Amino acid sequence: DQQVKQNSPSLSVQEGRISILNCDYTNSMFDYFLWYKKYPAEGPTFLISISSIKDKNEDGRFTVFLNKSAKHLSLHIVPSQPGDSAVYFCAASGRDSGGGADGLTFGKGTHLIIQP
Amino acid sequence: GAGVSQSPRYKVAKRGQDVALRCDPISGHVSLFWYQQALGQGPEFLTYFQNEAQLDKSGLPSDRFFAERPEGSVSTLKIQRTQQEDSAVYLCASSLVGRRPNLAGGPEDEQFFGPGTRLTVL
Repeated sequence: DQQVKQNSPSLSVQEGRISILNCDYTNSMFDYFLWYKKYPAEGPTFLISISSIKDKNEDGRFTVFLNKSAKHLSLHIVPSQPGDSAVYFCAASGRDSGGGADGLTFGKGTHLIIQP
Repeated sequence: GAGVSQSPRYKVAKRGQDVALRCDPISGHVSLFWYQQALGQGPEFLTYFQNEAQLDKSGLPSDRFFAERPEGSVSTLKIQRTQQEDSAVYLCASSLVGRRPNLAGGPEDEQFFGPGTRLTVL
């Protein structure tokens, strides 16, 4: 039972354009959401987060939007750069989200490829 | 180094063999997490320590998995009688404060991940 879903295994975007990565969740107890970026043979690196009391958080080229009613969040990268090519994981945390309440629940990831 | 380190980076084990995976968290970090990442999947939570106390082990898949952090710093994940389904990357993460991120969020809540140990069971 996937509580955090990233339905696009891969996404290809031209350099300079906007990249939009999507994430859906099913557990209404999740109240904190994060995006991690992962290069091959490295551990995930924190990118940006948002709590359920907000609907938008921005950090430089990265913006995360949260739509609680739709249980959906998205990561926007503008403009996309070659160094952004990586696997992006959506993750969630909740006060009483079942197993792993103290850890993060991750999606399967989306492989973003930025084409020159 | 300043980051989370894990050793070994790669481990090949014969089925039935015991393995021990080590995690050195960032110095001073209170929380330590272990995750298992199977091929093509996202990381899945295994267990959580706050200092030396193991507060959550709900994600450990079987009693063959055991984790410890006796002095509140270095942690070891031990897998006994390894099976082929144990093949995965085992990730360790640490964060400055305890338990879940608070709703305000902040750098002290961030989980810093190590590079992982890739375990292959033949």
